[in-house]
Amino acid sequence: EAQVTQNPRYLITVTGKKLTVTCSQNMNHEYMSWYRQDPGLGLRQIYYSMNVEVTDKGDVPEGYKVSRKEKRNFPLILESPSPNQTSLYFCASSSPGGWEQYFGPGTRLTVT
Amino acid sequence: DAKTTQPPSMDCAEGRAANLPCNHSTISGNEYVYWYRQIHSQGPQYIIHGLKNNETNEMASLIITEDRKSSTLILPHATLRDTAVYYCIVGVNRDDKIIFGKGTRLHILP
Repeated sequence: EAQVTQNPRYLITVTGKKLTVTCSQNMNHEYMSWYRQDPGLGLRQIYYSMNVEVTDKGDVPEGYKVSRKEKRNFPLILESPSPNQTSLYFCASSSPGGWEQYFGPGTRLTVT
Repeated sequence: DAKTTQPPSMDCAEGRAANLPCNHSTISGNEYVYWYRQIHSQGPQYIIHGLKNNETNEMASLIITEDRKSSTLILPHATLRDTAVYYCIVGVNRDDKIIFGKGTRLHILP
């Protein structure tokens, strides 16, 4: 089954404790992206990647890092999480020229 | 900021056609219109896209005005499972920084 998976689905952590949210897709897509969703602010893009070793900032990249060492994986790294990064995070992927972005199920992160 | 304007919410009776409007008056000639929906807190789901011709697929129809400044997504026979937030987005291609905006919250009434 074609899908985007994220782990963990739920995470409660404390300020300053480094964490990684993994994202993996099994569709051989070049393009992958991370979004965060907050009440009243909608979905905002954090980082995206056009292909392996190619990443670029979205609209809200501060406080986040990403890497793209393999085509299927695009982890989101929070080196020193803060409470304002409490949010619902989505990973997405699509093929070149493909209009359909496939989204993962989401990761609900709480930073206390 | 989003390049589109949508009503914040709409109601539709179950079994009727749901018509969701979107204004994109500053759309460029090479920009597409595409629609996604998000059911509760699930990941958004692609519905349909178009450039200037009307489009139809198994989920919905997309009607784009001749001047391309607005469009309408049509769900022909709405069901309770269509209750969701619907996002209208414009862009050159999916590699753009996609700006989702706030969308329209569609309530399907039994």
